[in-house]
Amino acid sequence: GQQLNQSPQSMFIQEGEDVSMNCTSSSIFNTWLWYKQDPGEGPVLLIALYKAGELTSNGRLTAQFGITRKDSFLNISASIPSDVGIYFCAGRSSGAGSYQLTFGKGTKLSVIP
Amino acid sequence: DVKVTQSSRYLVKRTGEKVFLECVQDMDHENMFWYRQDPGLGLRLIYFSYDVKMKEKGDIPEGYSVSREKKERFSLILESASTNQTSMYLCASSGPGAYGYTFGSGTRLTVV
Repeated sequence: GQQLNQSPQSMFIQEGEDVSMNCTSSSIFNTWLWYKQDPGEGPVLLIALYKAGELTSNGRLTAQFGITRKDSFLNISASIPSDVGIYFCAGRSSGAGSYQLTFGKGTKLSVIP
Repeated sequence: DVKVTQSSRYLVKRTGEKVFLECVQDMDHENMFWYRQDPGLGLRLIYFSYDVKMKEKGDIPEGYSVSREKKERFSLILESASTNQTSMYLCASSGPGAYGYTFGSGTRLTVV
């Protein structure tokens, strides 16, 4: 089946630093999504991307849909303590079962005040 | 505001018990999903349903079953709970035009 490789698995950063994480796929996706999971909660959608090359921002978060359609990137600028959590990428392909998402294993972010 | 509601945030059950995890969505979504989340393993799909009374196995269905008698409700059943089923369980739903999945807050199940 499809696989998403998300990296890094975990990050420890100082408050105020910028953060970058990415996902790569063995196959093409038509949609890329980024979720954040706060400790003890369910994942919440941050950003959705629908076109190759698309760059979308949500506050301090910026995500990009890779031109090859096999990767996506998430950047967080000027991190703050409430950015702590697990960030998941997810991709959706076309065709049968296209309502299903494939998830990366997540990037666990820790912010040191 | 659209919602996916899981009936319990925390649950402690004994080995061998039959356990029901309930999930209700108010978005009239066709698709519903059950995942379990364990450290380092990400989200693993247990079962999903794309319509009432329809169900499909995900990646790790062993030891679980599901029920979807009404569109808004999707239940996960542990027929005989075991300690290796101690985990965080997440329900999600999606429908036409939805950006992605909407997740519930999760149920942290401990089997002792």
